[in-house]
Amino acid sequence: NAGVTQTPKFQVLKTGQSMTLQCAQDMNHEYMSWYRQDPGMGLRLIHYSVGAGITDQGEVPNGYNVSRSTTEDFPLRLLSAAPSQTSVYFCASSYSAGRMGEAFFGQGTRLTVV
Amino acid sequence: TQLLEQSPQFLSIQEGENLTVYCNSSSVFSSLQWYRQEPGEGPVLLVTVVTGGEVKKLKRLTFQFGDARKDSSLHITAAQPGDTGLYLCAGRGFGNEKLTFGTGTRLTIIP
Repeated sequence: NAGVTQTPKFQVLKTGQSMTLQCAQDMNHEYMSWYRQDPGMGLRLIHYSVGAGITDQGEVPNGYNVSRSTTEDFPLRLLSAAPSQTSVYFCASSYSAGRMGEAFFGQGTRLTVV
Repeated sequence: TQLLEQSPQFLSIQEGENLTVYCNSSSVFSSLQWYRQEPGEGPVLLVTVVTGGEVKKLKRLTFQFGDARKDSSLHITAAQPGDTGLYLCAGRGFGNEKLTFGTGTRLTIIP
């Protein structure tokens, strides 16, 4: 079982460049989300999706776009990278968003913007 | 925004000692989860508590959900080096799908 797969694992961007962080899950989970992790701040929710075709903003959505055309994939787009977006990004999926829903995480993408 | 504050932020203790990590909020949650994260990996779920006052035990780890469903604690008995890691609490609100994470506690157990 692959679970949640994120690519790439590491990326260096120049300010102003764009890129897409890929996330795929093979567990047929409806709920997917993107977080960024910065020192001393835990994980902060960027965007989430409750199913194909449905996305919504989290607490730190500015500078990021998402789409959900299939159940399996949930890419995160940086349109014009800024140094403040240097972080470790995690994609997560869960079977349901109910109270017991367990979030399964990918291994993360470490992004540096110079 | 629902905020979850964890304390302490860093904790370094000797093997065999006991410790408690706290997770506090001014918001009420429908459930609260604890995750552990190791370097280079994503967080992995340890436990979910859903009832105010609920206590769950996982070997040497004891988790408690506050009566008012605003706070939680994680107690580790006789800590071992394998307990080293970043511990994150996460709360789920009522009627929404968002999982809000705490600020994290980085635990180091010294052999």
